[in-house]
Amino acid sequence: NAGVMQNPRHLVRRRGQEARLRCSPMKGHSHVYWYRQLPEEGLKFMVYLQKENIIDESGMPKERFSAEFPKEGPSILRIQQVVRGDSAAYFCASSPIPTDSGNTIYFGEGSWLTVV
Amino acid sequence: KNQVEQSPQSLIILEGKNCTLQCNYTVSPFSNLRWYKQDTGRGPVSLTIMTFSENTKSNGRYTATLDADTKQSSLHITASQLSDSASYICVVSFTGTASKLTFGTGTRLQVTL
Repeated sequence: NAGVMQNPRHLVRRRGQEARLRCSPMKGHSHVYWYRQLPEEGLKFMVYLQKENIIDESGMPKERFSAEFPKEGPSILRIQQVVRGDSAAYFCASSPIPTDSGNTIYFGEGSWLTVV
Repeated sequence: KNQVEQSPQSLIILEGKNCTLQCNYTVSPFSNLRWYKQDTGRGPVSLTIMTFSENTKSNGRYTATLDADTKQSSLHITASQLSDSASYICVVSFTGTASKLTFGTGTRLQVTL
């Protein structure tokens, strides 16, 4: 049973380009979460999705960021017109049920975005 | 504002020694508290999960304690190994919020010979 798969692991974009980060949850998991980790900071919640639905996007910046989790295929975190401040590690996590049930959630290895 | 604070920020210990990491939180209402280990350049890996009714939880050489009255938790590592070198992150979940985990900034542990 493969873990949470994220790709690409490392991505370099020039300012103004678009970044697309992909996440395939663990098999059987329908809850997906995206977190961002800035250098020397803790992980910060961005968005929580279930298949085809955004459940909570209160941590997402209002502009340039979007996320989806289609019926088929991986979850995508999309960042348009990237700026240097978007440089961070983006982690995806998944769980079979919501996190406040006390269950373990599983993290991927992260996607490191560098904006030059 | 819900917060999770950890101490110390960093710690260096000799292989074979024990250590204790601290976590204070102000998250309310509280659902559960987790400790994660994060190796450099990797994703966090779960060590323990405790609900408000649990006082202690062990996972091998890792033992977490929780005092819900004082809103404090600790992670004790016994007989440390070089492979324990990592960041240890305390994470708290609110009751009734299916999504938000509040992460501390972690304690960076280095185990040396």
